[in-house]
Order: sequence, then C-alpha cells, then structure tokens
Amino acid sequence: GAGVSQTPSNKVTEKGKYVELRCDPISGHTALYWYRQSLGQGPEFLIYFQGTGAADDSGLPNDRFFAVRPEGSVSTLKIQRTERGDSAVYLCASSSLSSGANVLTFGAGSRLTVL
Amino acid sequence: AQSVTQLDSQVPVFEEAPVELRCNYSSSVSVYLFWYVQYPNQGLQLLLKYLSGSTLVKGINGFEAEFNKSQTSFHLRKPSVHISDTAEYFCAVRSGGSEKLVFGKGTKLTVNP
Repeated sequence: GAGVSQTPSNKVTEKGKYVELRCDPISGHTALYWYRQSLGQGPEFLIYFQGTGAADDSGLPNDRFFAVRPEGSVSTLKIQRTERGDSAVYLCASSSLSSGANVLTFGAGSRLTVL
Repeated sequence: AQSVTQLDSQVPVFEEAPVELRCNYSSSVSVYLFWYVQYPNQGLQLLLKYLSGSTLVKGINGFEAEFNKSQTSFHLRKPSVHISDTAEYFCAVRSGGSEKLVFGKGTKLTVNP
C-alpha cells in the first residue's frame, strides 16, 4: 500500500481483556517496528522484525506482550490481561533497508484505552 | 545505551520569528540522526535526517538542522515560522550497528499570531 496502515485506530477495552492490534506495512518493506507512545512521552521501542523473525524484542515490557509476523508482511501485536498502564498509542513503522540508514515510515497509530 | 535529550518540552513563539529546538544525544562512535514532526491527531512524519556528509541538512517545510559531533547535538532551526508549524517535534537517534531508533520526549512548538 501507499503507507503503513494500522487497525483499529481506536480501541477501548476493560482491564483484564485480550487485545490485538494490526499493522500492514508498506509493500516490499522487510523491516517492521512496534513502538508505544504514552501521553506526553516520545515513542518507546517495543520490537523489531526482519522478515518473519523478531530480531530484537528487548523493548517488550513483560510477557503479556507478544507480536507476530508470520508471512513477513502484516504484523499483529497481542496484549494479554490488559492493565490500565497499557493505555497508550501503539505505533507501527516499516522500512526498506535498501534505502540506507533504515529510515522508518510510521503509521497513524492505534490508540488503546484500558478502563 | 543510547539516549536523547530534548531540553525544552514546550516552545512558544510568534509567527515569523526564528526558532531553534534543541536535541542532544549520548555519545557514540557513529550515529544517524532524525527529526520527526507530529501534527495534532496525526502520525509521525520525517522532517529531515543526517546520515553522513555535510553536517547541515535541510528538510521539508523550510526546516534545517546541524550535526555537531563534538557537542553531540542536532538542533533543529527555522528562520521564520508559520502558524501551521504548530506541532510536536521529536529528535531520534540510531547508533551504527543497531536497528533501534531511540526518541527524545518531544518539544511542543506553538506558533502564535
């Protein structure tokens, strides 16, 4: 597609529920990133995929967070047993390593609110 | 670990005035530097980047930034701002050999008439 697409744009859930957030990267981009942006903060790195594999998941805060990219394109960020502190905007970005220095293109984000 | 400091959380200026948004990063052998802009209710948009070569880089919308290796800084400047420049600006750094882009906390620029 023309840009990075994220769905849903807004998600409201209750504490303890399971949530999935989807990211559709730019066609042909092999690298995909998830970031989390809390209110008043800059984006915080969560996980990075190169193809189908998670090359760096050091930013995932705990084992309630998990992400997959089974076919090397669309990725899903999964959050189990959501907590109020998980409320944030979850940003997805993709890049083509051939562009040099790995310039990221971001989606508009998925705003998650945990009540 | 790499870190980024944006010294000003908020910068109010009048229209047509010059502006400088400051960014410092922790030292590293080689770095790639970026400024992103986030307009209200929109995603992050790349403003400009420093990869190598000339230390003065020009971006979109009349913005420019200068890489200063000795001061580990990458300050963003614009000689004359418009109301439409009102947005939040994020400085980001990637160290050579790492794929992780580290962001600062952002500077909210408000341009008043």
